[in-house]
Amino acid sequence: GEDVEQSLFLSVREGDSSVINCTYTDSSSTYLYWYKQEPGAGLQLLTYIFSNMDMKQDQRLTVLLNKKDKHLSLRIADTQTGDSAIYFCAESPFNDYKLSFGAGTTVTVRA
Amino acid sequence: SQTIHQWPATLVQPVGSPLSLECTVEGTSNPNLYWYRQAAGRGLQLLFYSVGIGQISSEVPQNLSASRPQDRQFILSSKKLLLSDSGFYLCAWDTTPLGTEAFFGQGTRLTVV
Repeated sequence: GEDVEQSLFLSVREGDSSVINCTYTDSSSTYLYWYKQEPGAGLQLLTYIFSNMDMKQDQRLTVLLNKKDKHLSLRIADTQTGDSAIYFCAESPFNDYKLSFGAGTTVTVRA
Repeated sequence: SQTIHQWPATLVQPVGSPLSLECTVEGTSNPNLYWYRQAAGRGLQLLFYSVGIGQISSEVPQNLSASRPQDRQFILSSKKLLLSDSGFYLCAWDTTPLGTEAFFGQGTRLTVV
């Protein structure tokens, strides 16, 4: 989606932390999502954050939101080989179903 | 270049009416095709996927059906819409045999009234 931008590739060593970044343009965004797509599978919602929050943590995942800069990040602690996938950032505006996705970041975990 | 077309962008339908959403892909052959739905405030839900012509897998039981009459055409249908069918429907495709890239349509916002 042209309103949501992500870097395309990330390579990380097993056991290290991964940080995937995303920027968006719609200032009315209410929900910001991270989805994961593994090879041959559909999208899986990993986590989401409301725009009135700065941070959300869920086990190995930490989402940080900088509303001023319209910047969203996903940190994966202790990255494992099973974390290799495409990660999509998405946003939806207030009172609307519409989702705008980024192009996805392909994360490759190397041993 | 590969492109994906999904239409219409917005649709308002009365309860009990039929539905047909169409998605076509250009620039690739034998893609995996997907229909997703997002209800307000919720994440995407995979509804159907197809790995080839006439091959449809349903992820959840529901009021909807899908068909793939041609390699690059994927249709989402309903005979009688329910209020709960309202949502944002997204078509997507990726390449075979392993989807290392995924491409999405622009989505259809369906409101059932």
